[in-house]
Amino acid sequence: GENVEQHPSTLSVQEGDSAVIKCTYSDSASNYFPWYKQELGKRPQLIIDIRSNVGEKKDQRIAVTLNKTAKHFSLHITETQPEDSAVYFCAANVGGNNRLAFGKGNQVVVIP
Amino acid sequence: GAGVSQSPSNKVTEKGKDVELRCDPISGHTALYWYRQSLGQGLEFLIYFQGNSAPDKSGLPSDRFSAERTGGSVSTLTIQRTQQEDSAVYLCASSLGSTPGQPQHFGDGTRLSIL
Repeated sequence: GENVEQHPSTLSVQEGDSAVIKCTYSDSASNYFPWYKQELGKRPQLIIDIRSNVGEKKDQRIAVTLNKTAKHFSLHITETQPEDSAVYFCAANVGGNNRLAFGKGNQVVVIP
Repeated sequence: GAGVSQSPSNKVTEKGKDVELRCDPISGHTALYWYRQSLGQGLEFLIYFQGNSAPDKSGLPSDRFSAERTGGSVSTLTIQRTQQEDSAVYLCASSLGSTPGQPQHFGDGTRLSIL
């Protein structure tokens, strides 16, 4: 299977607080997990990715954690800012290849 | 160019007409992908080209959809006899190569509206 599910669908946070988005996947062969940020009317932008040989990766205020046993991975945004408001998509590669299966997206709203 | 380029940016056409959407990948990227994004939805995989290999067409929703990639670079997605449910943003992405887990970089998409 290649189902990728994200939750919650919408997340509102106060500016400065942290936001966490979780994704689950079903394909045991998946070994690459990117996160994309999409602002309204714009292209999806890759913000961070992780491979299955790593449990956590951090880039400034953004981090991703992976639990291969439980088949879930999470995006963590710390010290949120209004410009973090966007839709965030997680994905997993299908069959361990290049094709990606995407989740339906999470709307993150940072309240000033 | 520096990024993935798609044209046209917007296309409005009547139901039943054929449309062609173009994607110019990042120079040197051998893998090219087409996705479809309906309003408020995630990205739906359509087709994937990798070098000279046969494309993975498993995501094409019907035989009205086809795609070509000539010379290993530019790709064209063709939708024949368009239907209203084809209305969506069609996104193209490219990545460096065949190693699994290569980051995919997206173009701005073509917003297709079928009247």
